[in-house]
Amino acid sequence: DAGVTQSPTHLIKTRGQQVTLRCSPKSGHDTVSWYQQALGQGPQFIFQYYEEEERQRGNFPDRFSGHQFPNYSSELNVNALLLGDSALYLCASSLQGISGNTIYFGEGSWLTVV
Amino acid sequence: AQTVTQSQPEMSVQEAETVTLSCTYDTSESDYYLFWYKQPPSRQMILVIRQEAYKQQNATENRFSVNFQKAAKSFSLKISDSQLGDAAMYFCAYRSSLNTGTASKLTFGTGTRLQVTL
Repeated sequence: DAGVTQSPTHLIKTRGQQVTLRCSPKSGHDTVSWYQQALGQGPQFIFQYYEEEERQRGNFPDRFSGHQFPNYSSELNVNALLLGDSALYLCASSLQGISGNTIYFGEGSWLTVV
Repeated sequence: AQTVTQSQPEMSVQEAETVTLSCTYDTSESDYYLFWYKQPPSRQMILVIRQEAYKQQNATENRFSVNFQKAAKSFSLKISDSQLGDAAMYFCAYRSSLNTGTASKLTFGTGTRLQVTL
């Protein structure tokens, strides 16, 4: 049973560029959430996707956008990268409609903006 | 909005000893879930233990147990018989039990780095 998989694991981008991160949820899960974890901090909720729609959003600017595909996989896009966007981006999957179910995390994508 | 506070940036414990990590939270909800996640150097968040707020009994998972004080909004993690493999960042997290789109959102604390010494 494959867990949550993310790609790429590491990447370096230049300020002003755009980046796309990808996530495949755990088998059987239909909801994907994205978190940003800056160095030395706890993860911060970016947004959640279910049924190919953004369902909830944290306090992040519109430069952060996403998409969910019919197979439940998801992408996180960040435009006009800033140095402060350097962080570990974690994808989490869960099953909608069951409030007590466990949320599973991937190993994250390390983004460095130079 | 809910907040989670971990006031211990770093803790150290000797192998085979017991250590307690602290967490407090703030919420106006009466039903919710609390979690402790472990994040080793590999960076993957691993669920250690969970507690449903409506349950009075403290959760236990092998060497890990919690002390859940709902009135005080306190949720501490006790690790018994500490092992070298327990060394990691530990995050306390809150999750609403409302069965809506917000149900899956986790609110994390800033973490406690646990060192295990010989």
